Amino acid sequence: DIQMTQSPSSLSASVGDRVTITCRASRDISNYLNWYQQKPGKAPKLLIFDVNNLHTGVPSRFSGSGSGTDFSLTISSLQPEDIATYYCQHYDLLPLAFGQGTRLDLK
Amino acid sequence: QVQLQESGSGLVKPSETLSLTCAVSGASISSGGYSWSWIRQPPGKGLEWIGYISHSGSTFYIPSLQSRVTISADGSKNLFSLQMKYVTAADTAVYYCARSRGTQPYYFDYWGHGTLVSVSS
Repeated sequence: DIQMTQSPSSLSASVGDRVTITCRASRDISNYLNWYQQKPGKAPKLLIFDVNNLHTGVPSRFSGSGSGTDFSLTISSLQPEDIATYYCQHYDLLPLAFGQGTRLDLK
Repeated sequence: QVQLQESGSGLVKPSETLSLTCAVSGASISSGGYSWSWIRQPPGKGLEWIGYISHSGSTFYIPSLQSRVTISADGSKNLFSLQMKYVTAADTAVYYCARSRGTQPYYFDYWGHGTLVSVSS
């Protein structure tokens, strides 16, 4: 099975900061990588699919990059509404799996 | 607009069976191009994909749960279900149903609100 490891596990940043979260796969997953945002008490929401494709309605300050085993999610200018936990998810082969999550707080 | 709504037992005794249903509106679970998954999240922890059922009825479960889990679908009612046998406290979690593009899970574009299942005597 492929394991997904995110770093950092938690992160504090200020409004307007550029924030980057990384996700590493235990083996090459090509570009089969998605990102989700989850706010407390809510279901996750799809942000980005296939590494760098923004889901409908997702602000352009979110972007994704990477290939193979190393991926990143970047928020170009952090907004208060971006405070959430972020998860990566691979779908290279079954079973698919999520990273353990990165909790983003306001400094 | 696609909507998914979980329902089922919120409190289950250890060693008994957890049963949840996901009612889907705005899309047909029998039409091609989509698959239907269950995902869970223990309190304060991350997301764990449990398994899926395709529009044609094919299923896959994660190895750690394969012996205890069954996902089934009822096309006439447009819903799919999760049964988990012999539950323990470790199965306490919020359970989500979700739709994925593709005949195998790809990305999850619609999710239910989630339902908390507690395992306790």
